[in-house]
Amino acid sequence: TQLLEQSPQFLSIQEGENLTVYCNSSSVFSSLQWYRQEPGEGPVLLVTVVTGGEVKKLKRLTFQFGDARKDSSLHITAAQPGDTGLYLCAGASSERYSTLTFGKGTMLLVSP
Amino acid sequence: NAGVMQNPRHLVRRRGQEARLRCSPMKGHSHVYWYRQLPEEGLKFMVYLQKENIIDESGMPKERFSAEFPKEGPSILRIQQVVRGDSAAYFCASSPIGERGNEQFFGPGTRLTVL
Repeated sequence: TQLLEQSPQFLSIQEGENLTVYCNSSSVFSSLQWYRQEPGEGPVLLVTVVTGGEVKKLKRLTFQFGDARKDSSLHITAAQPGDTGLYLCAGASSERYSTLTFGKGTMLLVSP
Repeated sequence: NAGVMQNPRHLVRRRGQEARLRCSPMKGHSHVYWYRQLPEEGLKFMVYLQKENIIDESGMPKERFSAEFPKEGPSILRIQQVVRGDSAAYFCASSPIGERGNEQFFGPGTRLTVL
């Protein structure tokens, strides 16, 4: 069974601070996706990383896929209240179809 | 291009009743995935379907749960004789192809409450 561990589980910071959240596994994934979910809504896809060592930037968000494709990180620069939400990582296995294995998420609260 | 649509958004059922959850994938997408989200447990895969075919139902409980994706119309997740433990948020996702690493786009979910 593939497992994804996310840390920290909960993070409360002030507007303007930087933060990093982590997604770790002992399994190799063919790709890894990051989602943000707000209360009462479905997960919204932020980015997909495919290549080991890959770095992708989305405005103030920087995503990195580990060289061995077992872990990933999300770094947010100068967090804003609008960044508040549940950040989920999900791995697609190396099987022939892409069912996703999700971590439990990091709940981020950014206060003004 | 409309996103993934799910209805109803909220569903209340009494124990023993049936629940039917509907999902219309994004236009051009022919692959549908159902996930269940329980508090403190995260999203868990239930079933993966293509048009008229169940590809992987390894995450689906063996009894009371069934899913279909007919040639025409939405995908349906059906829960018979619901119990309180079925209370959860059920999400549908769609993707255009079923190859590994493909991106999945989620609907807003159906929140099922069993009284």
